[in-house]
Amino acid sequence: GAGVSQSPRYKVAKRGQDVALRCDPISGHVSLFWYQQALGQGPEFLTYFQNEAQLDKSGLPSDRFFAERPEGSVSTLKIQRTQQEDSAVYLCASSPRAGESPYEQYFGPGTRLTVT
Amino acid sequence: GENVEQHPSTLSVQEGDSAVIKCTYSDSASNYFPWYKQELGKGPQLIIDIRSNVGEKKDQRIAVTLNKTAKHFSLHITETQPEDSAVYFCAASVSNTGNQFYFGTGTSLTVIP
Repeated sequence: GAGVSQSPRYKVAKRGQDVALRCDPISGHVSLFWYQQALGQGPEFLTYFQNEAQLDKSGLPSDRFFAERPEGSVSTLKIQRTQQEDSAVYLCASSPRAGESPYEQYFGPGTRLTVT
Repeated sequence: GENVEQHPSTLSVQEGDSAVIKCTYSDSASNYFPWYKQELGKGPQLIIDIRSNVGEKKDQRIAVTLNKTAKHFSLHITETQPEDSAVYFCAASVSNTGNQFYFGTGTSLTVIP
């Protein structure tokens, strides 16, 4: 079946611009995660949704970052007033379950954001 | 929070040889350890995982071992092939509200034909 999809795949923004990154999780997946991956590094957690509820946003680096999943499926990560340090690959992952134990996460291809 | 360290950062092996990547974690409450393969320009792909109640798991040429006492786990790839060349990430997760993953810094594996 279809995997996690993300759009756009590449985004170039001038410093100060707002951007919106979209994630379409695997159909029926309850949990959705956003990660930020700097060049040559492992992904770092940003935020987590269980259905439409944002249960953890402890990884968001500043109040310029905002994420939503209003209907419990598609999610959008918005970055306001982009800065050069926001340049990274933004990965979305979904998981079929939620609960007390961690479960496998399936990642999308990512959106590469470059802030000039 | 959890801290995951991964070694080596780069690894080159001859085709047919074995490759071993090692990770350590800091939080003894971590109970789920996935391994991901990431090819250039693509998202991480889950290749194998292990839970803390299991010491070893194998799937064809790939195996993972876990030592809870020492807080380290390893990925073993046997009979390596050129298509195994990629960046491999280990991760650890603790049961909590989010169950987010804490990733290592990655190992770039090159299999030389």
